[in-house]
Amino acid sequence: DIVMTQSPDSLAVSLGERATINCKSSQSVFYSSNNKNYLAWYQQKPGQPPKLLIYWASTRESGVPDRFSGSGSGTGFTLTISSLQAEDVAVYYCQQYYDTPYSFGQGTKLEIK
Amino acid sequence: EVQLVESGGGVVRPGGSLRLSCAASGFIFDDYGMTWVRQVPGKGLEWVSGISWNGGSTAYADSLKGRFTISRDNAKSSLYLQMNSLRAEDTALYHCVRIGYSTTKGAFDVWGQGTMVTVSS
Repeated sequence: DIVMTQSPDSLAVSLGERATINCKSSQSVFYSSNNKNYLAWYQQKPGQPPKLLIYWASTRESGVPDRFSGSGSGTGFTLTISSLQAEDVAVYYCQQYYDTPYSFGQGTKLEIK
Repeated sequence: EVQLVESGGGVVRPGGSLRLSCAASGFIFDDYGMTWVRQVPGKGLEWVSGISWNGGSTAYADSLKGRFTISRDNAKSSLYLQMNSLRAEDTALYHCVRIGYSTTKGAFDVWGQGTMVTVSS
């Protein structure tokens, strides 16, 4: 099974500053046949279901602000929020959909400093 | 509006059964794979099971095999999860989720609010 590990577990960033969350998979989630990384990022606010932000490691979901970006390949990935807004306070999860059982990271709680 | 609405949760004794349902609307249901994800309140996300657009391919979390069965009825735009031999550790909020692909290999792009399952004596 693929284990997803996020760092840090929690993060406090000032408004307008950059926030960076890392995600590592225990094995590669890159398919060379289609040149895609099977990695997604989700945002979950209190009392709400998760919301898809990024898929294929770096493709922004429709309607997601462009301050959110994803990067990385193989086993190492990063979610970056370029200029933190108050509404970005949430828990963020990475997830691999390369192979079943699909798995999520433990989550990173993002707060305002 | 694209929407997923779960039902069927509740309180059940250990060893009991429940059948969760998910009603989909606002999109062509049989164009998409579907999946269930559960979350213990205050904790992280756990993938439970997935099914392809026509039900021809299914997959389960290792800890659930033989106890849970996923199915779908495309004519009714509905997804189901039959849960048997329930254990206390199955207590969670169960989300119905659309996969952004016809197979099960895609990101989870639409989520329902969830239905709560509590297993307790």
